[in-house]
Amino acid sequence: DTGVSQDPRHKITKRGQNVTFRCDPISEHNRLYWYRQTLGQGPEFLTYFQNEAQLEKSRLLSDRFSAERPKGSFSTLEIQRTEQGDSAMYLCASGAGLWETQYFGPGTRLLVL
Amino acid sequence: AQTVTQSQPEMSVQEAETVTLSCTYDTSESDYYLFWYKQPPSRQMILVIRQEAYKQQNATENRFSVNFQKAAKSFSLKISDSQLGDAAMYFCAYRSGTGNQFYFGTGTSLTVIP
Repeated sequence: DTGVSQDPRHKITKRGQNVTFRCDPISEHNRLYWYRQTLGQGPEFLTYFQNEAQLEKSRLLSDRFSAERPKGSFSTLEIQRTEQGDSAMYLCASGAGLWETQYFGPGTRLLVL
Repeated sequence: AQTVTQSQPEMSVQEAETVTLSCTYDTSESDYYLFWYKQPPSRQMILVIRQEAYKQQNATENRFSVNFQKAAKSFSLKISDSQLGDAAMYFCAYRSGTGNQFYFGTGTSLTVIP
């Protein structure tokens, strides 16, 4: 197992376009998290899945954001009608078990022009 | 929502010396978990150390140890015998014992001086 992977690693898009990011968690992990991290800040929670069920969503997650985790494996995060304020690093993490240590992916850096 | 505060945006330490990074948090819960994560430049975040709130004994992982003061809601990280590879952003994080959200501080950038 090579850990949590994310694709793409970098994305440049024009304002108003839609973008989709993918996260592949560690295979035995049933929990998956999406975070957003801007420069000089810590990760901010966006949403959480346990298996295929989306159990929590932050109020940061506007209706332009949608996340899915079909079959409880990989997850996608889509941002519709991107805005310049969406420029950030989008981090995915997975975890399992009572202790719930999170293992982070390398992130997708989004730049909206 | 819980808040996590890291009041030191930047810290520096001489190689082989000891440095302590501060973290405080605000919560009304009695059951929770605390973590320190390290994020090297352009590399992914990795777990350094973790602490369960109900454990009075401070966690230790090799050169890394914490000073957990539950009453004061303080969770500092001590790095002993600092190495060049310790240079990174360090984030303190809180997780409720009943919830699933992690709350992160704003980070402390650690520079290790050769």
